[in-house]
Amino acid sequence: GQQVQQSPASLVLQEGENAELQCNFSSTATQLQWFYQSPGGSLVSLLSNPSGTKHTGRLTSTTVTKERRSSLHISSSQTTDSGTYLCAISTNTGKLTFGDGTVLTVKP
Amino acid sequence: NAGVIQTPRHKVTGKGQEATLWCEPISGHSAVFWYRQTIVQGLEFLTYFRNQAPIDDSGMPKERFSAQMPNQSHSTLKIQSTQPQDSAVYLCASSTGHINTGQLYFGEGSKLTVL
Repeated sequence: GQQVQQSPASLVLQEGENAELQCNFSSTATQLQWFYQSPGGSLVSLLSNPSGTKHTGRLTSTTVTKERRSSLHISSSQTTDSGTYLCAISTNTGKLTFGDGTVLTVKP
Repeated sequence: NAGVIQTPRHKVTGKGQEATLWCEPISGHSAVFWYRQTIVQGLEFLTYFRNQAPIDDSGMPKERFSAQMPNQSHSTLKIQSTQPQDSAVYLCASSTGHINTGQLYFGEGSKLTVL
């Protein structure tokens, strides 16, 4: 079945530093979404980016479909960015398969 | 737009009891998904509906879990004879149903604790 690998598993930054999160997947993805989950909180969709580069605020996602990888860049990290970032893909089925996530901690 | 609404937010049941979880998708969304989240297993797909029809229930434990979508405004997930290993946060999500472009929007989840 589809597999989604995220790296690093955890990341600790000082406020103001940039973060780079990686997502690799085993099947061709027709849909790719990045989600954010605060500790004990719900999943919030950040970006939908099956191919190319997309920006929203301090977030930039770049997906190279034929290489089966996507990245999420967070610029000028803030303490409120702390939480888990999840990558999820679907392959023409509609349902998303999730990676295990990257736990980001931003220290003041 | 109120987003995806899930009730109850928390449910505690005794082993062997039944639990029913409700989901109200975003108005106009034609696809509804159920996922389960635990620390050990992460996010697991359970089942999904499109235009109220069941499309894929490959993630559903066959014997005790069932899901329905009787109308476009709500879906239910029923767990019979609950077991401690069913304890998890059950998440419902909806989307416009477009396979390649429909983003999933999640509710806040129903936390089930089976004693």
